[in-house]
Amino acid sequence: EVVLTQSPGTLALSPGERATLSCRASQRISSTYFAWYQQKPGQAPSLLIYGASSRATGIPDRFSGSGSGTDFTLTISRLEPEDFGVYYCQQYGRSPLTFGGGTKVEIK
Amino acid sequence: QVQLVESGGGVVQPGGSLRLSCAASGFSFNIYGMHWVRQAPGKGLEWVAFVRYDGSHKYYADSVKGRFTISRDNFKNTLHVQMNSLRPEDTAVYYCAKDYGDSRYFFDYWGQGTLVTVSS
Repeated sequence: EVVLTQSPGTLALSPGERATLSCRASQRISSTYFAWYQQKPGQAPSLLIYGASSRATGIPDRFSGSGSGTDFTLTISRLEPEDFGVYYCQQYGRSPLTFGGGTKVEIK
Repeated sequence: QVQLVESGGGVVQPGGSLRLSCAASGFSFNIYGMHWVRQAPGKGLEWVAFVRYDGSHKYYADSVKGRFTISRDNFKNTLHVQMNSLRPEDTAVYYCAKDYGDSRYFFDYWGQGTLVTVSS
């Protein structure tokens, strides 16, 4: 099973700041098979990024994804108030599908 | 617009059974793979099961294999999961999630979830 380790566990930032979230895989994953999700309190997750760098429908361009091999990054260029929540990475290149433990982005 | 509405959650004793359903609308249900994903209280996400668009292939997480059965009814646009031999560690919110394609294995729409509590 591919283990995804997200860091940091919590990121305390102010609106307007840049957020950089990391996800490290225990095995190499093709960038074709990597996604990021956002989850706000009391809500279901929503798709942000797939294929490591492709934004899902309706996702603003302040969100960007990058990476390959074992290291992947989600960057939020300028945090908006609605961006605070928990972010999960997911790999779908190897069975079983697995998620990272999440990074909480909170208001500083 | 795409809507996924789960139902069937509740409190069940260890060893008991429960059947969850997910009513889908707003898209051509019969051409997309579908998944169940769960989230234990205060924890992260865990993929549970997948069924292909036509029901021909089904895959399960090791943690539920042999106990859970995923199925779909393409005439009623409904996804199900039959959960048997439930354990306290199965306690979670269960989400129905739409595959991006037939078998892309990531999720572009999620329901709001239904809570399953396994406790005596």
